[in-house]
Amino acid sequence: KAGVTQTPRYLIKTRGQQVTLSCSPISGHRSVSWYQQTPGQGLQFLFEYFSETQRNKGNFPGRFSGRQFSNSRSEMNVSTLELGDSALYLCASSLLASATDTQYFGPGTRLTVL
Amino acid sequence: DQQVKQNSPSLSVQEGRISILNCDYTNSMFDYFLWYKKYPAEGPTFLISISSIKDKNEDGRFTVFLNKSAKHLSLHIVPSQPGDSAVYFCAASAKTSGSRLTFGEGTQLTVNP
Repeated sequence: KAGVTQTPRYLIKTRGQQVTLSCSPISGHRSVSWYQQTPGQGLQFLFEYFSETQRNKGNFPGRFSGRQFSNSRSEMNVSTLELGDSALYLCASSLLASATDTQYFGPGTRLTVL
Repeated sequence: DQQVKQNSPSLSVQEGRISILNCDYTNSMFDYFLWYKKYPAEGPTFLISISSIKDKNEDGRFTVFLNKSAKHLSLHIVPSQPGDSAVYFCAASAKTSGSRLTFGEGTQLTVNP
């Protein structure tokens, strides 16, 4: 079974631009969560989607948004990029959106903002 | 507010010995705990989990212990192998928060041959 895939793997943008990252979950998984990893803050929860609905959102500004499609694929968008948005963005999928469901992570998208 | 803390940024052990990684949490709503391993340029890989109704869970060389009264959990790796060298993250979730995971800062484990 294919794992979680994320595209692109690497991205370089400049301040003020916007970016869209994509995540394809494991086949059959309906829940997708996004996390931001930075050296100073560790892994921080961004949001969680289940059946095309956002069920949970972390403490990030409104510049960070996401969506989920009917095939469970998910995208996240960051508008008006800032230098501090440089990070590894990780997507995780699970079968359902239960606290005891194991989440499987993709390899991440490394975003660099110049 | 760091609700999950891993106080040791790094740990170095000899091959064949035991590795013990520690994690503390403050949120009493957490009722499910997980350990993930992460290599550079890869996403975290699930290792082992434990529910708050248990105090121990084993899977091969990996054992997780949970002390609810102390809000402390630990991961034991016996015997440690050089391939275990990675960053280990402790994570916690609560029934009320769906699949949202709160992570610790990670501990870099180095196993020396």
